[in-house]
Amino acid sequence: DAGVIQSPRHEVTEMGQEVTLRCKPISGHNSLFWYRQTMMRGLELLIYFNNNVPIDDSGMPEDRFSAKMPNASFSTLKIQPSEPRDSAVYFCASRRWLETQYFGPGTRLLVL
Amino acid sequence: AQKVTQAQTEISVVEKEDVTLDCVYETRDTTYYLFWYKQPPSGELVFLIRRNSFDEQNEISGRYSWNFQKSTSSFNFTITASQVVDSAVYFCALSDKAAGNKLTFGGGTRVLVKP
Repeated sequence: DAGVIQSPRHEVTEMGQEVTLRCKPISGHNSLFWYRQTMMRGLELLIYFNNNVPIDDSGMPEDRFSAKMPNASFSTLKIQPSEPRDSAVYFCASRRWLETQYFGPGTRLLVL
Repeated sequence: AQKVTQAQTEISVVEKEDVTLDCVYETRDTTYYLFWYKQPPSGELVFLIRRNSFDEQNEISGRYSWNFQKSTSSFNFTITASQVVDSAVYFCALSDKAAGNKLTFGGGTRVLVKP
C-alpha cells in the first residue's frame, strides 16, 4: 500500500503569496492530521479531521491558515498570505480510528 | 495534563555502543498508548512501535528494545550495537482519551552514532 502522500515536497515562495499544501491519506484511514515542525517549537498539531470533519483546529496559528478535507482521500492546508515565520516542515499523517498515525514525507516550506 | 518528557536532547556514541533513550510521560487516563518514532536526517517520521497501557511486556525487535514501566511512567528505548544508520532524532509520544486521542510528542532526542 502507498503511504501518506504529500505535495509539493518543497515550496519556496515570497511573503504575501498564497501557499497550498496537499495530502492524500492512506486508503481506509478515517483520521487525518496536519502538523508543523520547526526548530523552535518542535512538532505542533495544527488541525485534525475524523471522517472528513474538522474536530480540533485549536493549533491553527491564525486566520491566515485554513484546512479542508473535501473527501476521504484528499486534504489541503492553505496559508494566505504567507509570512517568513511560516517557514517550516509541514507533515500530514493519517490513521484508522485509535490506531497508529503514519506520517507523510513532509513539505518543506520556505517563505522569503 | 498530558506530557511527554525526553530529558536527553542529544546523545553521541561510537558505533557498536549501546544507547538508551529515556521517555517519561504523564497522563490521568488508565488507558493510553505510547509510541516511538524515528526521524532520520532525510526528514521523514518513521513509526517504530506502539504499546498500550495494559501491556507491560518488554519488546525486542532486532537491535531495538523497549522497556515499559508503569510504576515509573517510563517507556525507554535501547539501541543495541548502534550503527551509523541509527543516527536520527527519536520522538516518544503519548495518546490518551483526555487529549482526544491526539499524539502528544516529547521534544525528541538526537542520536549521533560516530564510526
